[in-house]
Amino acid sequence: DVKVTQSSRYLVKRTGEKVFLECVQDMDHENMFWYRQDPGLGLRLIYFSYDVKMKEKGDIPEGYSVSREKKERFSLILESASTNQTSMYLCASSLSLPQGSLAFFGQGTRLTVV
Amino acid sequence: TQLLEQSPQFLSIQEGENLTVYCNSSSVFSSLQWYRQEPGEGPVLLVTVVTGGEVKKLKRLTFQFGDARKDSSLHITAAQPGDTGLYLCAGKIRGTSYGKLTFGQGTILTVHP
Repeated sequence: DVKVTQSSRYLVKRTGEKVFLECVQDMDHENMFWYRQDPGLGLRLIYFSYDVKMKEKGDIPEGYSVSREKKERFSLILESASTNQTSMYLCASSLSLPQGSLAFFGQGTRLTVV
Repeated sequence: TQLLEQSPQFLSIQEGENLTVYCNSSSVFSSLQWYRQEPGEGPVLLVTVVTGGEVKKLKRLTFQFGDARKDSSLHITAAQPGDTGLYLCAGKIRGTSYGKLTFGQGTILTVHP
């Protein structure tokens, strides 16, 4: 089974702190993603990476950056956390297929910025 | 603007009833997936459909991909309390990079015993 592991289930940070969310996958997938999930808005893509050191902005990249130094690890960084970044953060990985990609998700990190 | 519109947003039914969730777009999708998410957990992939008109069955769940590949539906027969959860559709828009999936806003299903 594919396993995607996020480093924390719950996190509470103060406004202005630098926050690191870590994600590791064990299936050698090329693609990794960071989404945030908010009630009524579904999942919104923050960033994705299709190879080591490669990244692309998603739909809502402002206030976030990412790092992918190794294939299995994709980190999301909040440079200066703000209260509007309180959310559920979901990491996913997938294989590229011509017709699309099948994403496997981690368990999520619920981040609260106070 | 939501590229994938799911309806209804909320569904509350009694055990044994049937239900259908819809996922619609003005864009053509190369493929479309359905996920189920329980509270506090990440989404879990249920099925993927690729061919226009395709129908897939997973026990009491039936998934259909529209002929034009712009819409999909999830039908649950004789719903059970264990079906309760958030159902998400997601798809790859034709012409976008391999990795990028677009998600609907989800349908929260509650099945009462």
